[in-house]
Amino acid sequence: RKEVEQDPGPFNVPEGATVAFNCTYSNSASQSFFWYRQDCRKEPKLLMSVYSSGNEDGRFTAQLNRASQYISLLIRDSKLSDSATYLCVVNIGSSASKIIFGSGTRLSIRP
Amino acid sequence: DTAVSQTPKYLVTQMGNDKSIKCEQNLGHDTMYWYKQDSKKFLKIMFSYNNKELIINETVPNRFSPKSPDKAHLNLHINSLELGDSAVYFCASSQDNSLGTGTDTQYFGPGTRLTVL
Repeated sequence: RKEVEQDPGPFNVPEGATVAFNCTYSNSASQSFFWYRQDCRKEPKLLMSVYSSGNEDGRFTAQLNRASQYISLLIRDSKLSDSATYLCVVNIGSSASKIIFGSGTRLSIRP
Repeated sequence: DTAVSQTPKYLVTQMGNDKSIKCEQNLGHDTMYWYKQDSKKFLKIMFSYNNKELIINETVPNRFSPKSPDKAHLNLHINSLELGDSAVYFCASSQDNSLGTGTDTQYFGPGTRLTVL
């Protein structure tokens, strides 16, 4: 089993739709979780950190389920500009040395 | 005001050459990283460097070596380049490496696209 797994997609949804992705991780000792966004031929950029209590930032909601070892990202009222690859990131080391990126989920929003 | 910058943006070179990629961050961060993103888009950490402590991903060949002249810079040197080294290399930095506090959030440079012929 991979340390961090994501459905590669692509998810192709109409503008205005709600879309959700999950990311599973194998190491129960994982301590930090993030969602990054990467546009084509660009660097990854932090979308949001994922906290135990869940967190929301505008149209984006992230959840952490430690019991089932997954994190989720929900995007409401999707915009064309949300089209990108979404990377799940899990930090499982005692320092920031064991940082694992998922392979990403591609999202395409159509008009 | 670029937070994390890398040079060059593109690097095309012959097999067997030695090359360097420079990285600078002006965020005052304590920890810097190098990542490799291959053609399949997998992003893998190569090194992290914090307060003179270098942590190496054991899968990285010793032809790769990071050099940090000061806290704001972490350059990547590659010796005897091979075809398989062709990839995009990203530098990143974080405030520190304390897990779960938010200060391990990473900020990435724009990437250096290396092509080895």
